[in-house]
Amino acid sequence: RKEVEQDPGPFNVPEGATVAFNCTYSNSASQSFFWYRQDCRKEPKLLMSVYSSGNEDGRFTAQLNRASQYISLLIRDSKLSDSATYLCVVSRSNDYKLSFGAGTTVTVRA
Amino acid sequence: NAGVMQNPRHLVRRRGQEARLRCSPMKGHSHVYWYRQLPEEGLKFMVYLQKENIIDESGMPKERFSAEFPKEGPSILRIQQVVRGDSAAYFCASSPEGFRSSYEQYFGPGTRLTVT
Repeated sequence: RKEVEQDPGPFNVPEGATVAFNCTYSNSASQSFFWYRQDCRKEPKLLMSVYSSGNEDGRFTAQLNRASQYISLLIRDSKLSDSATYLCVVSRSNDYKLSFGAGTTVTVRA
Repeated sequence: NAGVMQNPRHLVRRRGQEARLRCSPMKGHSHVYWYRQLPEEGLKFMVYLQKENIIDESGMPKERFSAEFPKEGPSILRIQQVVRGDSAAYFCASSPEGFRSSYEQYFGPGTRLTVT
């Protein structure tokens, strides 16, 4: 079983729509959770960390459910520039090894 | 402040040749990590190095792959006798001295290796 699993999508949404997707992780020892963004197979860039209480950064909201071992990302008021692959990333506490999901592709159309 | 630099960005090798991938960390960073991304898969940790030391190579294939981070110069990931299955994107990341949070890894643009 993969350590981090994501629905690959693609999620095709019109501009202004809300899109949400999850990822699940298998290692209950995971302590740190992140969403990264990857454009056209370029380098991953940190979008946001995910905290237990949930957190919001502008149009992006991340939630963590430790009991069910899943993380979600919600994008409100989608922009064309949000089109990318979103990578779910987990690691154990203070562990340098980041475990990446294969990504969820989002395409925002005009 | 220049980011993590990797070269070459694209590398084509025939089966059996050697591939050398270079990574220069961000200025002031002394920790280097290599990840591999196969098509349609997530990035997989390969190796973690500090200057002149391999800290963790648990993600490296046992044969044909090696990595170094010399006192001077970039970190090098070397793949000997490449095979088609080595075709992938290889990303390098760096982090500063004394880091505590794993998210403090800054990624380079990657090297896309194609084995023909």
